[in-house]
Amino acid sequence: NAGVTQTPKFQVLKTGQSMTLQCAQDMNHNSMYWYRQDPGMGLRLIYYSASEGTTDKGEVPNGYNVSRLNKREFSLRLESAAPSQTSVYFCASSEFAADTEAFFGQGTRLTVV
Amino acid sequence: GENVEQHPSTLSVQEGDSAVIKCTYSDSASNYFPWYKQELGKRPQLIIDIRSNVGEKKDQRIAVTLNKTAKHFSLHITETQPEDSAVYFCAASRSSGDKLTFGTGTRLAVRP
Repeated sequence: NAGVTQTPKFQVLKTGQSMTLQCAQDMNHNSMYWYRQDPGMGLRLIYYSASEGTTDKGEVPNGYNVSRLNKREFSLRLESAAPSQTSVYFCASSEFAADTEAFFGQGTRLTVV
Repeated sequence: GENVEQHPSTLSVQEGDSAVIKCTYSDSASNYFPWYKQELGKRPQLIIDIRSNVGEKKDQRIAVTLNKTAKHFSLHITETQPEDSAVYFCAASRSSGDKLTFGTGTRLAVRP
């Protein structure tokens, strides 16, 4: 099993450009999450999807949108990238709820110039 | 919402010594407390977790303790080895809750 797969691994954007980060899991998990990781800030939740068909804002949702395309896939979109969105982005999934083990993707390192 | 504070931010120990990382949380309804390890350039991975119905849990050289009254929990690593060098994150959530809130991380360096 591949687990949680994110694409791309690296991306450089110019300010104002848009892009979509893709995430897919093959563990039949119900819940999926998007985090960003910045030095000294830990992992901060951007958006989450507790189950297929639902999405909710996390701690830092501004500037992002998400789509839970189906049970396997959860994408994160930056409509107009800003330098403040330079970060490492992690997708994660868990079987049922936040009190079950979260499995992370390998991360996407995004730089906005 | 939940707020998780983690200390220290950096920790350096001699190989063979013990390391302790402490976290506090604010939501008294939280009852699931996992710890994740992230090696340099890698993804975070769960190393141990504890639920509020127990006060301590051990797995070989790693142990976690929980004090619900004081709302704090700690990770203990004994007989540290160079491969323990990584960033460690604590986290908290409610049972069947939707969100896992992470601490800001502790960078542990084990000196050979």
